[in-house]
Amino acid sequence: DQQVKQNSPSLSVQEGRISILNCDYTNSMFDYFLWYKKYPAEGPTFLISISSIKDKNEDGRFTVFLNKSAKHLSLHIVPSQPGDSAVYFCAATSRDSARQLTFGSGTQLTVLP
Amino acid sequence: NAGVTQTPKFRILKIGQSMTLQCTQDMNHNYMYWYRQDPGMGLKLIYYSVGAGITDKGEVPNGYNVSRSTTEDFPLRLELAAPSQTSVYFCASTNRGDTTGELFFGEGSRLTVL
Repeated sequence: DQQVKQNSPSLSVQEGRISILNCDYTNSMFDYFLWYKKYPAEGPTFLISISSIKDKNEDGRFTVFLNKSAKHLSLHIVPSQPGDSAVYFCAATSRDSARQLTFGSGTQLTVLP
Repeated sequence: NAGVTQTPKFRILKIGQSMTLQCTQDMNHNYMYWYRQDPGMGLKLIYYSVGAGITDKGEVPNGYNVSRSTTEDFPLRLELAAPSQTSVYFCASTNRGDTTGELFFGEGSRLTVL
């Protein structure tokens, strides 16, 4: 039973356009959500996060939106750059856990020059 | 600026062999984790530790053991390797009270069991 789902295994966008990566979750106890980026042969690196008390968080070109009623979050990258090509993982955690992260299966983003 | 260091980066094992994946962090983090990532899948939690001397099972602990004798080190032991343990293993750490919830990951250890 996947508690965090990323239904799009891959996404291709043109350089300069917007990339939108989606994530759905089922566990109502999750109260913190994170996005990680992973390049081949490297460990995941933290990108951006959002608390359940917010519905939007921005950091430069990256914005995460949270819709709690729909149990859905999305990552927007504007403008997309070729260096953004990577696998993006959505992850979730709850305050009462030992900061354990539950990960989605990832979306491979390819930004075409 | 080492962060989280994992060794070895690559290893091939025969069925039934044993080995230990080493993980050490120099950030004085009290929480440490072991995840595995299978092809096309997300990371699944094997074991975690909230401090020296304390360990607990994650989602997929069968076939593995861990210990946490120091804050810095969190080795993962495979006692009887099986082909199902072929995967990429990631160690991660963070601090209790870190409000961002960010985990810092090592570069991974790719294990193949033949």
